[in-house]
Amino acid sequence: DGGITQSPKYLFRKEGQNVTLSCEQNLNHDAMYWYRQDPGQGLRLIYYSQIVNDFQKGDIAEGYSVSREKKESFPLTVTSAQKNPTAFYLCARTLGGAGELFFGEGSRLTVL
Amino acid sequence: GQQVMQIPQYQHVQEGEDFTTYCNSSTTLSNIQWYKQRPGGHPVFLIQLVKSGEVKKQKRLTFQFGEAKKNSSLHITATQTTDVGTYFCAVDRGSTLGRLYFGRGTQLTVWP
Repeated sequence: DGGITQSPKYLFRKEGQNVTLSCEQNLNHDAMYWYRQDPGQGLRLIYYSQIVNDFQKGDIAEGYSVSREKKESFPLTVTSAQKNPTAFYLCARTLGGAGELFFGEGSRLTVL
Repeated sequence: GQQVMQIPQYQHVQEGEDFTTYCNSSTTLSNIQWYKQRPGGHPVFLIQLVKSGEVKKQKRLTFQFGEAKKNSSLHITATQTTDVGTYFCAVDRGSTLGRLYFGRGTQLTVWP
């Protein structure tokens, strides 16, 4: 898994419910990222964190929240305020020193 | 914000034919990255180009960065069924590593 574990792999929720997606890493990396992918689209940055207890909004942060209480964990909550939550969510860490990314296997969220 | 246009969106080829996807930007890029995503999978980092006019090869894959650093291409020679997937280019924003803008991707189908 390259040190990034995402769960669950598939998730179904009813509209109006908050959902939390898990992302864990075991390689002591500081920087972690959440991206969203819609069919036929590129990836878009939701949130990122470069250090424990600090995180920054990306391009599409509205309707999402994150926390970084521990270095190894960076969970993403999809709140009921997110208007189109059905998507493929990818957590990532930097792979090398030039900003290339290593992605987890992703979580596919379907809101019914 | 910075955007990259990637063409074509879809490409269908017969096994053994060549394939090329292009990534274009209106601004000068500091670097460009390429990723491959297999159907149902997650994006996997392929390569990063940094220098003007740079050409890098990985077996049958040739990556090129334009002289003006505003465009890039990925060329696959003699495609195989294992090349099936979506190829994305991505550019960083220069300020923080891992904050990437992704193109929409080119979905490659290879017919046996």
